[in-house]
Amino acid sequence: KAGVTQTPRYLIKTRGQQVTLSCSPISGHRSVSWYQQTPGQGLQFLFEYFSETQRNKGNFPGRFSGRQFSNSRSEMNVSTLELGDSALYLCASSAQLDTQYFGPGTRLTVL
Amino acid sequence: SQQGEEDPQALSIQEGENATMNCSYKTSINNLQWYRQNSGRGLVHLILIRSNEREKHSGRLRVTLDTSKKSSSLLITASRAADTASYFCATDRQGGSEKLVFGKGTKLTVNP
Repeated sequence: KAGVTQTPRYLIKTRGQQVTLSCSPISGHRSVSWYQQTPGQGLQFLFEYFSETQRNKGNFPGRFSGRQFSNSRSEMNVSTLELGDSALYLCASSAQLDTQYFGPGTRLTVL
Repeated sequence: SQQGEEDPQALSIQEGENATMNCSYKTSINNLQWYRQNSGRGLVHLILIRSNEREKHSGRLRVTLDTSKKSSSLLITASRAADTASYFCATDRQGGSEKLVFGKGTKLTVNP
């Protein structure tokens, strides 16, 4: 099976812009989770989608949002970008409740 | 917020030696997982241990879990240069709103 794919792999934006990141889970996986990784805060959970519904949400401002489509693909959106949003954004999919399989990540740089 | 704390933060060993990393967490868990990350890339799942298990093996990896002490350890035996990476523990908290809560990781360097 193909692994989790994320597009784009690298992105440069300026403050105030918005960005959309995409994640395609492993075939058959219905749960998709998003994480933000920064040197200062480490890996932090953003949200989880299951069957097109947000099932869990981390402690991030409303500028961070996501959605999941009927084919389990997911997108996350960050509006009004701030410098502190520069990070590696990781997507993970899982079939059951346990093991998560991560994609390669999208490196977002906000200038 | 971080649930887990890995110890040590950095570890440097020679090829062939064993590497032990520890993880402590704060609240009751359903399971604990260990992941490896090479230089800012995606995370690779290594092993999952459930709260009712005490020890698990996978190849050169051995994971222990002590729920009474809220701690886990990852042992990599006969380390290789290719094991150089950051290692993270992640907990699936009981009643938690997060999917997984990660520690800050241990950076392992295996010198050839």
